[in-house]
Amino acid sequence: GAVVSQHPSRVICKSGTSVKIECRSLDFQATTMFWYRQFPKQSLMLMATSNEGSKATYEQGVEKDKFLINHASLTLSTLTVTSAHPEDSSFYICSARGGEGGRTSTDTQYFGPGTRLTVL
Amino acid sequence: GNSVTQMEGPVTLSEEAFLTINCTYTATGYPSLFWYVQYPGEGLQLLLKATKADDKGSNKGFEATYRKETTSFHLEKGSVQVSDSAVYFCALRSAGKSTFGDGTTLTVKP
Repeated sequence: GAVVSQHPSRVICKSGTSVKIECRSLDFQATTMFWYRQFPKQSLMLMATSNEGSKATYEQGVEKDKFLINHASLTLSTLTVTSAHPEDSSFYICSARGGEGGRTSTDTQYFGPGTRLTVL
Repeated sequence: GNSVTQMEGPVTLSEEAFLTINCTYTATGYPSLFWYVQYPGEGLQLLLKATKADDKGSNKGFEATYRKETTSFHLEKGSVQVSDSAVYFCALRSAGKSTFGDGTTLTVKP
């Protein structure tokens, strides 16, 4: 099946630093990628949707200047948490969806394993 | 807007017990419905899906039927195993956006 990887799986950083999380679709072209945030024992909160080559669409309440998303290619999207603070500590999950005519269903999202961010 | 309501957890069962996790939804149009499973420390994995009314999704002994008349997509398994312990999320997809339920934690004891 379709595989999505995330790197790093865990990161601990100091307050005020920036952290970049990579999301890759390993065996299919992801025309759309989604970034979610998950708090302990809660559901996924969609942060933004990105399409390759265009600017990300952020959900209401998500600071686009703080959470920078780049979808530079059909297999890579990055989320950069700028000037991280302890309240940004969370589990960040990316998800990818293939385009029409590809080997994956356009109806299905494939999720990465998540990145645990801890800001001290 | 769209919404998904799941049975509240946690759910604790003995091995080989029957499992039902209820899920109902509200959506405009004709959404696709999904069940995802999340093991500790991992991301979500697609468990099964159904794309139209009366479709039955099945995988690894789990089943769910898309019931348009009751707007439900309940997850069932006839005999659970300890390895099924995880958090289960019901979700719908409509107009390119996914909406997730709050998740139901299942613990299966030997």
